[in-house]
Formats: sequence, structure tokens, C-alpha cells
Amino acid sequence: ETGVTQTPRHLVMGMTNKKSLKCEQHLGHNAMYWYKQSAKKPLELMFVYNFKEQTENNSVPSRFSPECPNSSHLFLHLHTLQPEDSALYLCASSQDSASGAPEDTQYFGPGTRLTVL
Amino acid sequence: SQQGEEDPQALSIQEGENATMNCSYKTSINNLQWYRQNSGRGLVHLILIRSNEREKHSGRLRVTLDTSKKSSSLLITASRAADTASYFCATASGGYQKVTFGTGTKLQVIP
Repeated sequence: ETGVTQTPRHLVMGMTNKKSLKCEQHLGHNAMYWYKQSAKKPLELMFVYNFKEQTENNSVPSRFSPECPNSSHLFLHLHTLQPEDSALYLCASSQDSASGAPEDTQYFGPGTRLTVL
Repeated sequence: SQQGEEDPQALSIQEGENATMNCSYKTSINNLQWYRQNSGRGLVHLILIRSNEREKHSGRLRVTLDTSKKSSSLLITASRAADTASYFCATASGGYQKVTFGTGTKLQVIP
């Protein structure tokens, strides 16, 4: 395994529900990411956290709310989602680097398959 | 718009054959990475090639990078049924962990 765990692995929720996705990395990395993967679309970067600070928010709707309490944990809080939000949500981590160094490599969790009814 | 674009979108070969996948990108990069994803799972990093490198090997994998053409190729030699997966290229450019993924090539290796 990659050292990045995600729970739950599958989630079915209604549009009025509130749920949270959890990601934990055991690699000592200081950068964590949320991606959305929909069928036949490129992997979409949603959020980046570096040393617990959000460094990127890729115009993600406010119904997705990230939280990074420490460098090892990342949450994605979900509320009033739409059916088109159904996708595989992937968490990843990497070591901070200037650029072009092997630390740019990202380590992915297995993902949470989300279905919004 | 996406940075990396893989070609072909799907590839089906017999076990033992070689598989070649290509990736084209638009802007200058610091490095290019290839990842593999089994159905419905997370991505696994395969190999990273830096912008000043032209070729890199790792086991049965061979990656080339042509920065003048803004393209890369991934060759899997002597393919196995277990190589069946989607393969993505990802480019890292600019500063800060900005890695952009393509849509992937779906490889099927028939036993």
C-alpha cells in the first residue's frame, strides 16, 4: 500500500445529507491534496494544503469544505451535494519541494466512491 | 485546459507484446510522471523523468521525453495480464506541487 488511507471507501448520500471524507497519510509528508475523478474526465485537483495551510482552491463549489487539522489528516466535508458530484474522490500526499525534485511524486489513497442520489 | 493528453485513449494487446502510450503537453515543465490506476483504485506512481533527461528505465518500463516536441512515451515491454490498468501522465510545472493529469490510456492485456 501507498501509506495513504481513505475512509469510507464507498458512500451513498442524499442531496440534503452532510457527510465527511477522511484521509490520513503515514509518510511524514507535509502537502496533501483532494482530487475528483469523474468518468472520461481528467483528474481534477480540488484543494492543496501545505503545512496545514490551504495553498490552492481550484474554484470548487462551497458545498465542498476541506479541513486540515494537521499535516497527517485531511477531511472533505460535504453538504447539499448534487448528483453530478458523484465521483471517485482521491486524496494524495507529497513532500514539499522547490520544483523538479523527486518529492513532486504524489502518493494516492484508494479513494472514496461517492454516489449522490 | 488540461496539460497532459494521452494517446491512444484505449489499447488492447496480447500478453507478451509491448505497449506504447504517448503523452503530449502544452507548456514547459519541470518533470513528467507516469502513474497507473487499477479500476476504481488510487493512482500509483511509476516513474518520474526530469526536463533535462531524455530517457529513463525502471524494470519493464521505459520512458522517453522530448521537450522540443512537448511529448513523452511510456513503453511497457513483455506485457502481462496484470499490467491491465489505466495509465496517466502528469506534468509538474511552475513552482509549487502543481501537477496536472491527463485523461489516461486504458490498457487491456489479454492473456
